[in-house]
Amino acid sequence: RKEVEQDPGPFNVPEGATVAFNCTYSNSASQSFFWYRQDCRKEPKLLMSVYSSGNEDGRFTAQLNRASQYISLLIRDSKLSDSATYLCVVSAPNTGNQFYFGTGTSLTVIP
Amino acid sequence: EADIYQTPRYLVIGTGKKITLECSQTMGHDKMYWYQQDPGMELHLIHYSYGVNSTEKGDLSSESTVSRIRTEHFPLTLESARPSHTSQYLCASSDQTSGLTDTQYFGPGTRLTVL
Repeated sequence: RKEVEQDPGPFNVPEGATVAFNCTYSNSASQSFFWYRQDCRKEPKLLMSVYSSGNEDGRFTAQLNRASQYISLLIRDSKLSDSATYLCVVSAPNTGNQFYFGTGTSLTVIP
Repeated sequence: EADIYQTPRYLVIGTGKKITLECSQTMGHDKMYWYQQDPGMELHLIHYSYGVNSTEKGDLSSESTVSRIRTEHFPLTLESARPSHTSQYLCASSDQTSGLTDTQYFGPGTRLTVL
């Protein structure tokens, strides 16, 4: 079983739509959670960390559900510039705090 | 923007050549990582380092080696390149800020093609 699993999509949504991605992780000892954004043929860039109480950054909201071992990312009012692959990343102390990346979920925002 | 640099950005080389991919960061981070990523696929950790003179192999079996003689520098070497090594190689670094978790910052990557 993979450490981190994501629906690869693709998600094709119109501008202004709200879209949500989920990600599940297998290691119950995981402590750190992140969403990264990766544009085509570019490096991943940190979008936001995910905190236990959930957190928001502008149009982006991240939530963590430890009991069900999943994290989510909600994007409101989608912009064309949001088109990218969104990577779920998890790390745990019992794996030496290595970072485990999901395969990513592809989002295309359509005019 | 993260201060982590990789050279070369693109490299096309023949089979059997020895190559070194450079990675350096000016953030003073202790931890550094090398990942391999094929198009449309997930990142695979091939090497990491927790500090000077520390190197570990990652989950992906790799024929490459790394060294960490200085905090800011983490080069990756392939002794004999093969077509199967064709991929994108991403370097990252991280450091735990007090009270916060590690966050990884990535370099721009080296796109390697072995003919």
